[in-house]
Amino acid sequence: DIQMTQSPSTLSASVGDRVTITCRASQSVSSWLAWYQQTPNKAPKLLIYKASTLETGVPSRFSGSGSGTEFTLTINSLQPDDFATYYCQHYKPSSPATFGQGTKVELK
Amino acid sequence: QLQLRESGPGLVKPSETLSLTCTVSGGSISNTAYYWAWIRQSPGKGLDWIGSVFHSGNTYYNPSLKSRVTISVDTSKNQFSLKLKSETAADTAVYYCARQPFLVVPPAIGYFDSWGPGTLVAVSS
Repeated sequence: DIQMTQSPSTLSASVGDRVTITCRASQSVSSWLAWYQQTPNKAPKLLIYKASTLETGVPSRFSGSGSGTEFTLTINSLQPDDFATYYCQHYKPSSPATFGQGTKVELK
Repeated sequence: QLQLRESGPGLVKPSETLSLTCTVSGGSISNTAYYWAWIRQSPGKGLDWIGSVFHSGNTYYNPSLKSRVTISVDTSKNQFSLKLKSETAADTAVYYCARQPFLVVPPAIGYFDSWGPGTLVAVSS
């Protein structure tokens, strides 16, 4: 299986900050990568797919970049609703989909 | 607006079979643009994709669970189901159902764009 590793595991930030989360794949997944946001006791919510395509309805302060083995999720001007845990997930064809272990964005 | 909702027992005894159903509303499970998936989340292991089913009954399974999993679809009820055999405590998790776009080029299943709220299943005697 392709392993997905996120860093950092926890990130402390303030409202208005710009934050960046990194996701690395153990082998190339091209652009077959998605990002999710999860708040406590809720299901994950799709933010970005194909590495950089924003899902409909997701605020434009969220952006994704990267290809191959290294990807980033950036949140510009962090809002109170953005304190959550973020997961990356690859969906490379012919490989079982796997998720990163998550990055918790907490209030500094 | 598409909604998915999981249903099934919240407690399963060890070695028994877990059975869950996902009911889809606000959209047809026969839509050829989508597969329908099960994912679980346990505190120790994070999010794990279990498997996915097409309206035709075609399935993809995670190889790590394939020997114990059956996913089926009932288009007449707009539902799909999960059976997981030989439960152990390691199967204790929140189980989610989700919609998964079918990628045409290359043919493959993709990300998960709509999720149910999840249901907690505990394995205990």
